Amino acid sequence: AQSVTQLGSHVSVSEGALVLLRCNYSSSVPPYLFWYVQYPNQGLQLLLKYTSAATLVKGINGFEAEFKKSETSFHLTKPSAHMSDAAEYFCAVSFGGATNKLIFGTGTLLAVQP
Amino acid sequence: DTGVSQNPRHKITKRGQNVTFRCDPISEHNRLYWYRQTLGQGPEFLTYFQNEAQLEKSRLLSDRFSAERPKGSFSTLEIQRTEQGDSAMYLCASSLVSGFTDTQYFGPGTRLTVL
Repeated sequence: AQSVTQLGSHVSVSEGALVLLRCNYSSSVPPYLFWYVQYPNQGLQLLLKYTSAATLVKGINGFEAEFKKSETSFHLTKPSAHMSDAAEYFCAVSFGGATNKLIFGTGTLLAVQP
Repeated sequence: DTGVSQNPRHKITKRGQNVTFRCDPISEHNRLYWYRQTLGQGPEFLTYFQNEAQLEKSRLLSDRFSAERPKGSFSTLEIQRTEQGDSAMYLCASSLVSGFTDTQYFGPGTRLTVL
């Protein structure tokens, strides 16, 4: 079955520190991969997406993610955390074709300490 | 460029009542998706439309749920005889299909509380 696993439901970093949010997927076919961010009581905003082009994907707000097929991973990183990065982050996969519905992980809540 | 809008943003209702939510997608987007998000979980797919045609429904979408997109523009999601388990955030997303995949843009959601 196709699924997404986000390790660590809560991650806390200091302002200026590296942000690393982990995402692994399970799929028998090549996926499309996405990271979304959700601020309290708001919808989801697309950070970046992988669609089988370059394996290192750069997104908005200084975030990037690397697709590693051998590890079935798509971890999200940012070199230096900012207070405004505090939010919940969701990794998602889709498989194109007729539906293209997104399958989401359970999310990682990022806290940024001053 | 206006984004996806959803109304109402919040809805409180009593068990057994019917509720209806509206989603206005980004203009010219031909696909519209509905997802449900419960506390502490990621969104789960409910259904989607390609223009006015509803092409897939999740098994999460019980008979009490119905969705429409009558003219291929806005969509409504109705829940009949609401239950406390229906309490969740209902998210709408739209996209323009190009090639084999699309990018979904989400609205702010409608938070439903069933008392």
